Amino acid sequence: GAVVSQHPSWVICKSGTSVKIECRSLDFQATTMFWYRQFPKQSLMLMATSNEGSKATYEQGVEKDKFLINHASLTLSTLTVTSAHPEDSSFYICSAYTDLATGPLYGYTFGSGTRLTVV
Amino acid sequence: GDSVTQMEGPVTLSEEAFLTINCTYTATGYPSLFWYVQYPGEGLQLLLKATKADDKGSNKGFEATYRKETTSFHLEKGSVQVSDSAVYFCALNDYKLSFGAGTTVTVRA
Repeated sequence: GAVVSQHPSWVICKSGTSVKIECRSLDFQATTMFWYRQFPKQSLMLMATSNEGSKATYEQGVEKDKFLINHASLTLSTLTVTSAHPEDSSFYICSAYTDLATGPLYGYTFGSGTRLTVV
Repeated sequence: GDSVTQMEGPVTLSEEAFLTINCTYTATGYPSLFWYVQYPGEGLQLLLKATKADDKGSNKGFEATYRKETTSFHLEKGSVQVSDSAVYFCALNDYKLSFGAGTTVTVRA
């Protein structure tokens, strides 16, 4: 079936540094990648949507200069949290969407998430 | 805009009990509907889906029927196990996914 590999699964960084999170679709081409943020015991909040080769579309209230999204290929998207601060600590999840396949590979597949802790 | 309203938890059950998690939606079109499950510390896994009215999605003993007349997609399982303890999210798809708040289910042995 469809697999999205998200890396790292957890990261601790110092305040003021930048962290990059990668999402790779392993057996399909993702036409669109979604990035979500999840606070403890809360639902997923969509941060941005990116299409391969295009600039990401950010949801209202999400700082595009802070959360840099790159979707360089149909199998790779990255989220970089720049100048991270403790309030950026959260669980980040990517989701790859494809309409280039049928059957089990069609639709949304989620990464396993990245737990970011900024100290 | 499109939205999902999901039964709030937490829900605590004994093994072999019947589970129902209510989900209703508001949408302008005819979205696809999903149930996702999230185990502690993990991402989301698709549990089941339905793409049109009266479709029934089923997987691992869970079922949900797309009811257009009541704009609902309630999740049910007849006999839960401890391994079903997780957070369950109802979602609809209108190009991008909109999630409900999530319902935490704990099944006790």
